[in-house]
Amino acid sequence: QVQLVESGGGLVKPGGSLRLSCAASGFTFSDYYMSWIRQAPGKGLEWVSYISSSSSYTNYADSVKGRFTISRDNAKNSLYLQMNSLRAEDTAVYYCAKVDFWGQGTLVTVSS
Amino acid sequence: DIQMTQSPSSLSASVGDRLIITCRASQSISSSLNWYQQRPGKAPNLLIYAASSLQSGVPSRFSGSGSGTDFTLTITSLQPEDFATYYCQRSHSTLWTFGQGTKVEIK
Repeated sequence: QVQLVESGGGLVKPGGSLRLSCAASGFTFSDYYMSWIRQAPGKGLEWVSYISSSSSYTNYADSVKGRFTISRDNAKNSLYLQMNSLRAEDTAVYYCAKVDFWGQGTLVTVSS
Repeated sequence: DIQMTQSPSSLSASVGDRLIITCRASQSISSSLNWYQQRPGKAPNLLIYAASSLQSGVPSRFSGSGSGTDFTLTITSLQPEDFATYYCQRSHSTLWTFGQGTKVEIK
């Protein structure tokens, strides 16, 4: 069955960096574009970033542009999100997703 | 940028009720509209895609309609497991835009 398993979340100080990973299985990962979406505590869903199936195209929300970088390794069936210059407002559960299936998320907390 | 606005933001309902949630786009998005259900502490689950197509495995009491700027999600005969938050999403492949969510609570 389809699985998306995020990892790499945790507590980081403002200005710090984290790299999130998402391990995919149960489908042909290289056939699908993927996205990262986040949800701040008690808030709604916010799309963060997109990457095409071949990595040829990426896109970012204005709130993270220039600080976050999405990438993927189709040989490893993995999606990544490199997050730099983290701010308190980046605190959220981060989900990796293809349109019809989402992982369970990983919590990122930015606090001093 | 296209904005998605849901109404209401929250509602109280009883088991067996019929529910309609609306989503309005700030400009036409044709039928590029998905609906997700999110239960507390869980990841969102796709219910409806392309405005009116029922995702595999989703009960038939869920239905979607609309095109252009105005869309609706209808739940006939609300069940206990349907108490959750519902989000509409503009399904442009390279940029996802979500509505603010509609929380459905037990009356």
